[in-house]
Amino acid sequence: GNSVTQMEGPVTLSEEAFLTINCTYTATGYPSLFWYVQYPGEGLQLLLKATKADDKGSNKGFEATYRKETTSFHLEKGSVQVSDSAVYFCALEGFDYKLSFGAGTTVTVRA
Amino acid sequence: DAGVTQSPTHLIKTRGQQVTLRCSPKSGHDTVSWYQQALGQGPQFIFQYYEEEERQRGNFPDRFSGHQFPNYSSELNVNALLLGDSALYLCASRGVFHDEQYFGPGTRLTVT
Repeated sequence: GNSVTQMEGPVTLSEEAFLTINCTYTATGYPSLFWYVQYPGEGLQLLLKATKADDKGSNKGFEATYRKETTSFHLEKGSVQVSDSAVYFCALEGFDYKLSFGAGTTVTVRA
Repeated sequence: DAGVTQSPTHLIKTRGQQVTLRCSPKSGHDTVSWYQQALGQGPQFIFQYYEEEERQRGNFPDRFSGHQFPNYSSELNVNALLLGDSALYLCASRGVFHDEQYFGPGTRLTVT
């Protein structure tokens, strides 16, 4: 079945530091890939997506590229802010519209 | 345009009781999925409804059941509650011509 493995946290950074969260996946066919963000006490918000190989998703300074050859979708941001402190989930959606999530990575950015 | 809405926001139940959670999808969406998110974990797929039928189901016992109404809204029912059912329950909706799922704010269920 489909599965997602993402870098374990927690990750603590200083403001303006570079952030990378690794994500790899196992899937049949050609899944769509997503990064969701969850702020304390809230639901999931879609951060970015990529629906086919070599697509680059981007939003709010975050980027991730769909790498089929390495089955990866790593999240990056060049300069984090305190407001980026949250839990980040990598997810894939198969042809059946079912989302499979990673365990989540907690990111804390210190001023 | 309202997004995905869920009710109630919080709920406290006792072991053995039954609970019903509700979800209204985003306008134009016809597919509703439910996820369980235990504390500190990623969401786990429970089931998915389309055209008022359960189309997909995850690895959850029959105590978890659902329903979709003609207006596409959905209910999640859990019978014989266990302490381990305490979690955030998330509803997500999707339209056939869309390539992403939108999540509601969730219902926080606490079983004591």
